[in-house]
Amino acid sequence: AQSVTQLGSHVSVSEGALVLLRCNYSSSVPPYLFWYVQYPNQGLQLLLKYTTGATLVKGINGFEAEFKKSETSFHLTKPSAHMSDAAEYFCAVTNSGNTPLVFGKGTRLSVIA
Amino acid sequence: DAGVIQSPRHEVTEMGQEVTLRCKPISGHNSLFWYRQTMMRGLELLIYFNNNVPIDDSGMPEDRFSAKMPNASFSTLKIQPSEPRDSAVYFCASSLAGLNTEAFFGQGTRLTVV
Repeated sequence: AQSVTQLGSHVSVSEGALVLLRCNYSSSVPPYLFWYVQYPNQGLQLLLKYTTGATLVKGINGFEAEFKKSETSFHLTKPSAHMSDAAEYFCAVTNSGNTPLVFGKGTRLSVIA
Repeated sequence: DAGVIQSPRHEVTEMGQEVTLRCKPISGHNSLFWYRQTMMRGLELLIYFNNNVPIDDSGMPEDRFSAKMPNASFSTLKIQPSEPRDSAVYFCASSLAGLNTEAFFGQGTRLTVV
């Protein structure tokens, strides 16, 4: 069975500071990995995804994530936080294009002015 | 495309009443998922369909929950009878299976059972 662990249910950073949201996964087969963002009272929006190929993946709004198989990690980063980045972030895993995503518990990002 | 459309956006009902949530997936997508989001349990998969056929309903919490997909453009999630512990945000998502594409989510239905 697949699973996702997001370390830290709440992360707070200053505006302009580095954003690092941690995600570790468990999968018996090569995973497909996703990061979604959820703004208040909204659905989930895809930030970026890794399926195959380059392990450093760039997404929208300046976010990127690196797939590290040896560490079973897919951490999300952004060099400089903006107030508009405040939201809930979810990491998700699947092992094919036919099966549903398994989500982590989410990390709420706060950005302090 | 308008994206995944869910209705209603908000539903308040009394315990014991029947509740029906509706979802219109993105045209051309052949997989549809129902998720439930709560503070305690996060995002849980309830059921998913491929080509209108239910594939896995092991996430449906009880027999009070049922889901149908009569055609490729419509799905319902029904709770009968509803209970206060069913209060949550219910999301519908769709994707194009087999092509490693992401799931696209609707805006969700916030259900409150009093």
